[in-house]
Amino acid sequence: GESVGLHLPTLSVQEGDNSIINCAYSNSASDYFIWYKQESGKGPQFIIDIRSNMDKRQGQRVTVLLNKTVKHLSLQIAATQPGDSAVYFCAESRSGGGADGLTFGKGTHLIIQP
Amino acid sequence: NAGVTQTPKFQVLKTGQSMTLQCAQDMNHEYMSWYRQDPGMGLRLIHYSVGAGITDQGEVPNGYNVSRSTTEDFPLRLLSAAPSQTSVYFCASQPGAYPNNEQFFGPGTRLTVL
Repeated sequence: GESVGLHLPTLSVQEGDNSIINCAYSNSASDYFIWYKQESGKGPQFIIDIRSNMDKRQGQRVTVLLNKTVKHLSLQIAATQPGDSAVYFCAESRSGGGADGLTFGKGTHLIIQP
Repeated sequence: NAGVTQTPKFQVLKTGQSMTLQCAQDMNHEYMSWYRQDPGMGLRLIHYSVGAGITDQGEVPNGYNVSRSTTEDFPLRLLSAAPSQTSVYFCASQPGAYPNNEQFFGPGTRLTVL
């Protein structure tokens, strides 16, 4: 079926290193993708988004890459900090990010080691 | 602005009981949504609304009702609680369609059905 999922459930990196979190999607009709960060006991927080007519978008310390050929999305976090420890979700939309639905992946738990 | 607020934070119900989860936003956002998050899972869309008086079903609507009589409020009703509805419930709002579509999530309501 159509789904959005993540390759690894847990990713452990050293503080100061770069992190790469991957996501695979199967719905070729998806036209909008978002990365969320969720800290323990809190709601998801928007990090960065990208539309399907782009292959790269940069924010502050974060970069999202989209490869439509292989239906792959990644989130790169530069110089990871202890505050980056959280679960990261990718989500996709078939309506350009409208309210009618984001489909979320299961999440990757990013652990920052000192 | 308080953002998106949810009450209660925690709730325990017995099977068959009914209750309403409250959600309010003070950002004048048109779109609002309800998600549930089960352990180790991503969020799944229950119901959503694109404006006052307009609601629609998401991925997992069974057992839940919603209404949107005002822009600010979007309550979620459980008609007859079942153990399968034990979950964390998140309400979200967004200004509208892309590019003003960043979703803001509330802190969540943790519901246990015995």
